[in-house]
Amino acid sequence: NAGVTQTPKFQVLKTGQSMTLQCAQDMNHNSMYWYRQDPGMGLRLIYYSASEGTTDKGEVPNGYNVSRLNKREFSLRLESAAPSQTSVYFCASRLDRGPNQPQHFGDGTRLSIL
Amino acid sequence: AQKITQTQPGMFVQEKEAVTLDCTYDTSDQSYGLFWYKQPSSGEMIFLIYQGSYDEQNATEGRYSLNFQKARKSANLVISASQLGDSAMYFCAMRVNNAGNMLTFGGGTRLMVKP
Repeated sequence: NAGVTQTPKFQVLKTGQSMTLQCAQDMNHNSMYWYRQDPGMGLRLIYYSASEGTTDKGEVPNGYNVSRLNKREFSLRLESAAPSQTSVYFCASRLDRGPNQPQHFGDGTRLSIL
Repeated sequence: AQKITQTQPGMFVQEKEAVTLDCTYDTSDQSYGLFWYKQPSSGEMIFLIYQGSYDEQNATEGRYSLNFQKARKSANLVISASQLGDSAMYFCAMRVNNAGNMLTFGGGTRLMVKP
């Protein structure tokens, strides 16, 4: 019963390095999301994908790219990491069957950029 | 633009007592949904309860209930009979029925349950 799986769980990068965060869900959900959570704050949406083959910007998309590889997988890429991107990153997915469906979250990736 | 405000950065409650966590929201949309999530120290986000803008009754899920006051634009979470395991961050979030069903989160409230 995996739900939403994120890899890696922890990563340390140097400024300027690139990195792809992986996310996969096994619940046959249509919509997938990437959020970041900075210390003491709520989650902010980076990008989302309402269906396979589509992606859209959220509140804080600058410095990131995403790929909806197939229905299961939604990856987040940092092309040139900056210290301001140090954060905890959460992937989520949602079943689009009615307004009461919650987003289901992965356990997060803790990313530090030196 | 939508906005969620949680005005209580931290709260204490005695074990077995009830506690209310405040959430106010701002939106011009008529159709929206409000969610509460719990984030324990281990970091995962756990869905607790949902309230739709057109729901006539307040939502309840076990020890969790939602005090929804639409005219005041508030959706406060009530936890009854607090347990030590309730110690966590709690986030209120709003979904507007736009494309993608995105969530806007508040800043959270840290609840600490005292034995």
